[in-house]
Amino acid sequence: AQSVAQPEDQVNVAEGNPLTVKCTYSVSGNPYLFWYVQYPNRGLQFLLKYITGDNLVKGSYGFEAEFNKSQTSFHLKKPSALVSDSALYFCAVRASGSNYQLIWGAGTKLIIKP
Amino acid sequence: EAQVTQNPRYLITVTGKKLTVTCSQNMNHEYMSWYRQDPGLGLRQIYYSMNVEVTDKGDVPEGYKVSRKEKRNFPLILESPSPNQTSLYFCASSFSGGYQETQYFGPGTRLLVL
Repeated sequence: AQSVAQPEDQVNVAEGNPLTVKCTYSVSGNPYLFWYVQYPNRGLQFLLKYITGDNLVKGSYGFEAEFNKSQTSFHLKKPSALVSDSALYFCAVRASGSNYQLIWGAGTKLIIKP
Repeated sequence: EAQVTQNPRYLITVTGKKLTVTCSQNMNHEYMSWYRQDPGLGLRQIYYSMNVEVTDKGDVPEGYKVSRKEKRNFPLILESPSPNQTSLYFCASSFSGGYQETQYFGPGTRLLVL
């Protein structure tokens, strides 16, 4: 069965430190990978996506993610965290040959402490 | 401004009382979708629509109905709400629903069924 795992319910990082939010996936076919962010009392916003090409994808707000095919991972990263990055982060995947539907991770709460 | 709107934003109702949550987008998107978000479960798709008069079930369609009579609107109908439908609901749209498409989300509707 196709699935997405975000192994950490919560990640705590001090402001100014690098952050990583982990995502691994299991799909048949080529994966199309997405990160979305949800700020409190807001809808989800698109951050970045991997379709093909360079394994390092740059997105909004200084975030980037690295696609690793051998490890079936798509971890979200930022070199220097801001308090305003505190939010709920979702990883999602579509698989080629599927019915176009997105498979979502459970979400990771990111807390940046001043 | 390009956006997805949902109404109402908050709703408290009682078991069995029919309700409709409206969703509208002004981006001429063909694809629209409804999700529910529950803690620890991420987003689960309820129904989606690839175009006018074309709808299909997602992962958790039981207890819900949808219609797509116009391109911009995709209402979610709960004919006889039950307490297990208490959740945070999101409407989303994208241009075509294809593999590479990012989705635009509404602000969410928080529903409490007593």
